[in-house]
Amino acid sequence: QKEVEQNSGPLSVPEGAIASLNCTYSDRVSQSFFWYRQYSGKSPELIMSIYSNGDKEDGRFTAQLNKASQYVSLLIRDSQPSDSATYLCAVNTGNQFYFGTGTSLTVIP
Amino acid sequence: KAGVTQTPRYLIKTRGQQVTLSCSPISGHRSVSWYQQTPGQGLQFLFEYFSETQRNKGNFPGRFSGRQFSNSRSEMNVSTLELGDSALYLCASSLFGGLTEAFFGQGTRLTVV
Repeated sequence: QKEVEQNSGPLSVPEGAIASLNCTYSDRVSQSFFWYRQYSGKSPELIMSIYSNGDKEDGRFTAQLNKASQYVSLLIRDSQPSDSATYLCAVNTGNQFYFGTGTSLTVIP
Repeated sequence: KAGVTQTPRYLIKTRGQQVTLSCSPISGHRSVSWYQQTPGQGLQFLFEYFSETQRNKGNFPGRFSGRQFSNSRSEMNVSTLELGDSALYLCASSLFGGLTEAFFGQGTRLTVV
């Protein structure tokens, strides 16, 4: 079992819709959680970080964390074609950093 | 404010050789972490340096090593290159360490032939 699991997709949503990206992790001592966006041929860029249970909102992005279920998600509201990218979930267990293999999102105009 | 700079951007090496990659973090950042990205395995953590000390280490063989200088610039070395080492090597710098507010460089694409 991988430390961080993501549905590789591809996930396609129409412009203006909500895109929902999910991630599960295996290590219960995981402390902090991150979502990165990576455009093709580019390096990852940080979108959101979340450290405690619940929701965290930043503009069109909402991260949700449920430590009991070992689950973290990212919602993108009013999806735009520019949101088309691969989204990476990352987990910090304290002394290790694990990334999922990413979910490819395509927003259709 | 300058971002994270990695050099070189591209490298082609032969099996058995060694290679050194460089990463200059954002000014003021004391943490540099290194990652290997491949299509099959995704992003994998190599190690993290903070104020010249290796703070964390991933599950890679000893052929992969690194160091950090007093100006926070970091180098990663891979000895006895194997074909499987072909990958995009990314470094990230952070003020606080780890992935907290971490910014990635553009990466070094290493091809081993």
